[in-house]
Amino acid sequence: DQQVKQNSPSLSVQEGRISILNCDYTNSMFDYFLWYKKYPAEGPTFLISISSIKDKNEDGRFTVFLNKSAKHLSLHIVPSQPGDSAVYFCAASAEGTYKYIFGTGTRLKVLA
Amino acid sequence: NAGVTQTPKFQVLKTGQSMTLQCAQDMNHNSMYWYRQDPGMGLRLIYYSASEGTTDKGEVPNGYNVSRLNKREFSLRLESAAPSQTSVYFCASSNGQETQYFGPGTRLLVL
Repeated sequence: DQQVKQNSPSLSVQEGRISILNCDYTNSMFDYFLWYKKYPAEGPTFLISISSIKDKNEDGRFTVFLNKSAKHLSLHIVPSQPGDSAVYFCAASAEGTYKYIFGTGTRLKVLA
Repeated sequence: NAGVTQTPKFQVLKTGQSMTLQCAQDMNHNSMYWYRQDPGMGLRLIYYSASEGTTDKGEVPNGYNVSRLNKREFSLRLESAAPSQTSVYFCASSNGQETQYFGPGTRLLVL
């Protein structure tokens, strides 16, 4: 049973436009969420996080939104750049645990 | 600071052979993790160590063992490799629920 789902395996966006990557979760105990970016042949790199006490967190071009009632979070990238082309993973963790559950990833392609 | 380092970068094994994947971190993190990444499956947790001296199973522990050698080092052992263990293995570290930092990965091919 997949507790963290990224239902879109891939997404293509024009350079300069907004990219929206979605993530759904089923476990209501999850209270901390992370987004990672991964280039081929490299390890995942941390992008942005959000705690369940917030509904939005921004860092430069990246904004994460959390809708707890819908058990849904999304990552917005504005404006999208060709260098943003990568696989993006969301991950969720429950308080008091030391482990994260990762989604299956969304491959973003930003077209120049 | 090197962050999280992993050795080897790439390995080819025959079915039944054993090997140990090494991981070290220099960020003074308490927790360390081993994941595997397979196409369409995302990152799945194999084992983790919440703190020095403790280890726990993750989602896919079968066929693996781990050792938390000290605060810096966390190794993953395959006692008898199987083709199903062909994957990319990532080590990560963190302080508790905080952000996890990943190593560059080890590509393992089991023939």
